[in-house]
Amino acid sequence: QVHLVESGGGVVQPGRSLRLSCAASGFSAYGIHWVRQAPGKGLDWVAVISHDGRNTYYAQSVKGRFSISRDNSKSTVYLEMNSLRPEDTAVYYCASDPGIAAAGPTEYFQHWGQGTLVTVSS
Amino acid sequence: SYVLTQPPSVSVAPGQTARIPCGGNNFETKRVHWYQQKPGQAPVLVVYDDSGRPSRIPERFSGSNSGTTATLTISGVEAGDEADYYCHVWDSSSDVVFGGGTKLTVL
Repeated sequence: QVHLVESGGGVVQPGRSLRLSCAASGFSAYGIHWVRQAPGKGLDWVAVISHDGRNTYYAQSVKGRFSISRDNSKSTVYLEMNSLRPEDTAVYYCASDPGIAAAGPTEYFQHWGQGTLVTVSS
Repeated sequence: SYVLTQPPSVSVAPGQTARIPCGGNNFETKRVHWYQQKPGQAPVLVVYDDSGRPSRIPERFSGSNSGTTATLTISGVEAGDEADYYCHVWDSSSDVVFGGGTKLTVL
């Protein structure tokens, strides 16, 4: 079973950058997603990276601003967030795909981390 | 864009059966997944591919898809089942789509 732990959240000013990390055990065979949840709101998928890092897919709302990557030697997935906006304020969860996610976010989110809070505010 | 519709709330007495619907178009072509989220916690997958159940999820949780509506059914509801429940599909035009969530209240 994949175990996921997010880190890197915090308070950041609009327009600035932040990098989130998702450390996982036993994850090199799986795609990894980022899903966020604004305070009091529903779930919102952000991005996914395939098991080998060759394929990445993004929600339209973050395309061009966010970048997902992974280092399988460190069992870690990263979410680089640039040009942050107040509407990016949310708890960010990483979640594992049941497969390699080479074709994108076509499957479900099998295991979830506990989340890390990102607050974009001046 | 593709939309999933859930009722904001469902209430049920302990021991009764809760049914949470999720509506969308062309459901016969979709695989519907369900997540449970308790206050202050991360979501947990409770049903995948319409009716599959992860090994750690009690048999009280089941799912179905009629082609027009997907339903999460919780039999013998317990106080610990009180949570928000979200349905989810993948759509080729909209990518990942979540329903707005249904708050299950155990009376």
